[in-house]
Order: sequence, then structure tokens, then C-alpha cells
Amino acid sequence: TQLLEQSPQFLSIQEGENLTVYCNSSSVFSSLQWYRQEPGEGPVLLVTVVTGGEVKKLKRLTFQFGDARKDSSLHITAAQPGDTGLYLCAGERLNDMRFGAGTRLTVKP
Amino acid sequence: ETGVTQTPRHLVMGMTNKKSLKCEQHLGHNAMYWYKQSAKKPLELMFVYSLEERVENNSVPSRFSPECPNSSHLFLHLHTLQPEDSALYLCASSQDWGRGYEQYFGPGTRLTVT
Repeated sequence: TQLLEQSPQFLSIQEGENLTVYCNSSSVFSSLQWYRQEPGEGPVLLVTVVTGGEVKKLKRLTFQFGDARKDSSLHITAAQPGDTGLYLCAGERLNDMRFGAGTRLTVKP
Repeated sequence: ETGVTQTPRHLVMGMTNKKSLKCEQHLGHNAMYWYKQSAKKPLELMFVYSLEERVENNSVPSRFSPECPNSSHLFLHLHTLQPEDSALYLCASSQDWGRGYEQYFGPGTRLTVT
């Protein structure tokens, strides 16, 4: 059983659609990070959330940390082909950082 | 050169070969990491170095041997690997170890063991 479960595993949508991906765990985290990884590259940090219930916005991306600090969601409004990539969540607790397996998003023009 | 660099980008090796992966960070960070990324599996943390000392070794087989000669360089020495070791090996660095510090990743080395 993975510490962090990400869903869906794959998502293919048309340009302009909205989407939400999820990162769930039974463990409480001190902080949670979201990364995006494009083909042939390493992951790049998008955001870090640390407070239960926290919402952060990055242009068309909205990140929410669950009240109990066990889960998180990433919502993308009006997706664009440039949003295509592997979205990874990573939770930190007791100096230990664990990653989920990711959601692979494809946005078709 | 900036950020985190890794060489080689691609590597094919036989099970009896010995090779090394190299990582260099130009960010002045104190912590460096090796991760293994396999298809459909979470990133697996292999090793963590903080100020050139190994602080974490997550039950990695001895056929993987890390080396951190200074805070800017990290190596992963490979010998007698198995086909299941084929994966993308990512190096990362962060300002310090732990407490959710942002990790900066290199582009990875795509390793194929034949």
C-alpha cells in the first residue's frame, strides 16, 4: 500500500476543460508539495502547503490542503496543452518526504 | 551552468558492467538526494546526504553505492545490476535536509540494464 495515493492515474482532456486531481493518505503531514514533471525532465515544484484548509492559487491552478492535513487536491481551470505532464504530490513528516505515483495529464488541443 | 545537472542522460549497461552516475548542483545547497523513478510507481528515495554525510539509506541493495565528495557533487556507483534496476535515476538538492525544503531536481539518467 502506497503512503500517498494519487487519482486518477491517467487523465486525458480537451483544451479548455476543467479538472481536479487528488492526493490522499491516512497519514498526517507537516507539509505537502505538488510537482510537475515533463517528459525528459525532473520534477519542478509548483507549490507547498503547510496549514490545514489552506488554499493557494497559481494562475489557473488552485491547490487545497485538507483540514486534517491528510489529503490535497489540485484544480486546473481551462486546461491548456502546456499543462500536459506528470503531477506528483509529496508529503513531508518527521524529515521524511514521500511521493505519490502521480497523475499523468494529457491536454489535447 | 545553473541548477542541477546529471550525466550521462542515457546509459545502457550489461549486468556485469560497472558504471557511475554523476550529479552536480550549482545552487549552494547543503543536501543532495538520489531517487529511483519506475513506471507507475512512486519516486523511491534511495540516499540522502547532508553536508557530505549520508543521513538516510532506504534499504537500497549494495550494488548501488553512493559517494558525496563535496556538497556540490554526488555520484551513484553501479555494479552487477539486475534488469529490474532499469529506471530513471533522479538527483535532487535542497537548501537543507528535511522540514519540507523545496527540492530541485536534475533531468535524470535513463538507465537500461540488459
